[in-house]
Amino acid sequence: DAMVIQNPRYQVTQFGKPVTLSCSQTLNHNVMYWYQQKSSQAPKLLFHYYDKDFNNEADTPDNFQSRRPNTSFCFLDIRSPGLGDAAMYLCATSRDLLGGGYTFGSGTRLTVV
Amino acid sequence: AQTVTQSQPEMSVQEAETVTLSCTYDTSESDYYLFWYKQPPSRQMILVIRQEAYKQQNATENRFSVNFQKAAKSFSLKISDSQLGDAAMYFCAYRSDNQGGKLIFGQGTELSVKP
Repeated sequence: DAMVIQNPRYQVTQFGKPVTLSCSQTLNHNVMYWYQQKSSQAPKLLFHYYDKDFNNEADTPDNFQSRRPNTSFCFLDIRSPGLGDAAMYLCATSRDLLGGGYTFGSGTRLTVV
Repeated sequence: AQTVTQSQPEMSVQEAETVTLSCTYDTSESDYYLFWYKQPPSRQMILVIRQEAYKQQNATENRFSVNFQKAAKSFSLKISDSQLGDAAMYFCAYRSDNQGGKLIFGQGTELSVKP
């Protein structure tokens, strides 16, 4: 089945130690999004790629970076994780920027110790 | 800027009964899309139902239906014949053709289903 896969499901990292979360998709969608969801809160968009074009939300901290080496994969890099970065990170895709809903991955729950 | 408001942080329903979750939104755009997503505990967020703003007819998907009131900017979700598997966090979301297709979420409503 076509899907969005996030690895790992759970990630524990040390304070200040760089960490990378990955997302892959078999839907051949043009757009890939990264959302941050803290406990009991709504997901918040960090950035998205439309094909190779990167679009950063104005309030996304510089500590968060992303890479999309090809259509199928997108990575979220947190350069120096702080305790406040502990959250669920959701990857989502959509066919294009217009209209339709997203397909979400299962998320990666990041713990910072 | 568009905003989405869910005024019910928690709701509870008896199995087999009907429950309505509320959502209001604010926008100056005329063309947009509204969604309800379901997020079970520690599980994937899945699309429940979708409504295009240009359509007057309310969307329906099996036991799930919406009451879309464009003038009032209201978009409620009705779940009929509630099942234990319906227990989850429900998010109302807005998306337009602008802003890079960004989904704007409400704060969510935690639905519990009592057997």
